[in-house]
Amino acid sequence: NAGVMQNPRHLVRRRGQEARLRCSPMKGHSHVYWYRQLPEEGLKFMVYLQKENIIDESGMPKERFSAEFPKEGPSILRIQQVVRGDSAAYFCASSPHPNTEAFFGQGTRLTVV
Amino acid sequence: ELKVEQNPLFLSMQEGKNYTIYCNYSTTSDRLYWYRQDPGKSLESLFVLLSNGAVKQEGRLMASLDTKARLSTLHITAAVHDLSATYFCAVDMWKGGSEKLVFGKGTKLTVNP
Repeated sequence: NAGVMQNPRHLVRRRGQEARLRCSPMKGHSHVYWYRQLPEEGLKFMVYLQKENIIDESGMPKERFSAEFPKEGPSILRIQQVVRGDSAAYFCASSPHPNTEAFFGQGTRLTVV
Repeated sequence: ELKVEQNPLFLSMQEGKNYTIYCNYSTTSDRLYWYRQDPGKSLESLFVLLSNGAVKQEGRLMASLDTKARLSTLHITAAVHDLSATYFCAVDMWKGGSEKLVFGKGTKLTVNP
């Protein structure tokens, strides 16, 4: 059973471009969480999704950020018109049910130049 | 709003010494995690603590949970260089049908020969 797969592992974008980060949960997991880690900081919750539904997006910036978890395919975190402050590591975690341990992917390290 | 505080944030210790990292949190929770993160890497789950008085040990690391005091500790026994990493505690938070992990800022541990 493969773990949580994130791609790309590293992503470089110029200011103003779009960044798309992908997360394929573990097999049988229908709950996906996205977290952001700024340099030298802990992880901060962004969004919690189940298949085709956003359960909680209270940690998402109001503008430029969106997330989806379609019926088929990976979960996508999309950042439009990136700025330097978006540079961070973005981690995805998945779990089979709520209130069970979620497992983290390797992360995508976004650098905005 | 749940707050999680770790201390110390930086810890430099010599091989063979013992030390404890503390994790305080502000509201009731059923689950607390300890993770290890190496530079540029993802999170490695070390311990999941589910109940008051829970104690778990793995090698030179031992974690405990006091839910009444809202305190968890990660004790390091006879440190070795390989334990150098950043350690995070994270508290599981349920609110309004949603679930998320709230992380401490991390303790950067350096074990010197």
